[in-house]
Amino acid sequence: SQQGEEDPQALSIQEGENATMNCSYKTSINNLQWYRQNSGRGLVHLILIRSNEREKHSGRLRVTLDTSKKSSSLLITASRAADTASYFCATRAAGNKLTFGGGTRVLVKP
Amino acid sequence: ETGVTQSPTHLIKTRGQQVTLRCSSQSGHNTVSWYQQALGQGPQFIFQYYREEENGRGNFPPRFSGLQFPNYSSELNVNALELDDSALYLCASSQDRANEQFFGPGTRLTVL
Repeated sequence: SQQGEEDPQALSIQEGENATMNCSYKTSINNLQWYRQNSGRGLVHLILIRSNEREKHSGRLRVTLDTSKKSSSLLITASRAADTASYFCATRAAGNKLTFGGGTRVLVKP
Repeated sequence: ETGVTQSPTHLIKTRGQQVTLRCSSQSGHNTVSWYQQALGQGPQFIFQYYREEENGRGNFPPRFSGLQFPNYSSELNVNALELDDSALYLCASSQDRANEQFFGPGTRLTVL
């Protein structure tokens, strides 16, 4: 079963616009991570936010975490065609496994 | 590129057959985790190996089994293949069990 649910399932934007996607999860977590996947290939780690953090930045990425609402958001600013990919949130609770959501498919049109 | 390699890239099998997928972990990593990703879905955790021992398992039947070798590379074996086993199989290595995981490119398995 999937812990997280991403919203929206798909997103289409113009190059230069911002893209925002959300992730909700069900149980308490140690951290939440965002990954990118291009065309059904391997996953690329983007950013990790710990349960005691509320916001984190990495380049054009901004992640927020609200543990009271069990939700997170990923913002990609000034999107580029190369940002076209599927984006997944993954949570780590007690233990070692990552539990992924179903993903948001982002299309950035030039 | 993460330094995690998987072989083969693609594989076609028929129902009832057995398959072995291989993963070489990144240098310095002692933990390998395996995931199954069905088309259009997120990856699902199969199991994790830490220093040659299974260290956690997801909701997969016993016909999914694995090994980790002294050099920390790993194999995923699936017996009695079913059509629903068609998926992208991803391995990820990490330095110890709870650290950041680095994913390989995956093996796409098609079961006919």
